[in-house]
Amino acid sequence: LAKTTQPISMDSYEGQEVNITCSHNNIATNDYITWYQQFPSQGPRFIIQGYKTKVTNEVASLFIPADRKSSTLSLPRVSLSDTAVYYCLVGGPTSGTYKYIFGTGTRLKVLA
Amino acid sequence: EPEVTQTPSHQVTQMGQEVILRCVPISNHLYFYWYRQILGQKVEFLVSFYNNEISEKSEIFDDQFSVERPDGSNFTLKIRSTKLEDSAMYFCASSEETGGYRGYSYGYTFGSGTRLTVV
Repeated sequence: LAKTTQPISMDSYEGQEVNITCSHNNIATNDYITWYQQFPSQGPRFIIQGYKTKVTNEVASLFIPADRKSSTLSLPRVSLSDTAVYYCLVGGPTSGTYKYIFGTGTRLKVLA
Repeated sequence: EPEVTQTPSHQVTQMGQEVILRCVPISNHLYFYWYRQILGQKVEFLVSFYNNEISEKSEIFDDQFSVERPDGSNFTLKIRSTKLEDSAMYFCASSEETGGYRGYSYGYTFGSGTRLTVV
């Protein structure tokens, strides 16, 4: 399984765009990149998943460069309710494993 | 949006007692997982389950733990003799495909968790 590295914490202000970058130098050819959000005392919640280039949904965008060794989760115009821990996970149907391994994630704090 | 349901939301048990945590995965999902999170720490993988058998388990998942899918809808985690260090949030998750992949979609779906407190 590819190891991921993210910043431990980030602060932002309401209304700003937040970009959280994750490095995954050993990503395998068939691996996908998935981001989850976790609020205190709740289960992780799927945000977005991608393989390459750019993926956008109603919540976030995910930018993946051509070499796929990193990815950036972009949250447009954050609000206080976006304060959470964000996890970058790498895996896929041929990764040879049945599990995701969670790292420490990035603790995002949105300030008023 | 389909949900993974976990019961109870909070359980307090005496050390040495057996507990069963229950989960109802999303109905068309084939892969099931248990994770735990000790307060303030990482989400840790415990076990994955597919086709009525364990696919993978971590070193945390020792002989005190077992999983079962007793019918077509429930997925349970049993801890035979609880220890103080088993106190944690336990999350159940399910997915359609291994690795949490299903085309451009949803990865794993996690339940809201059971907070287990061993006293």
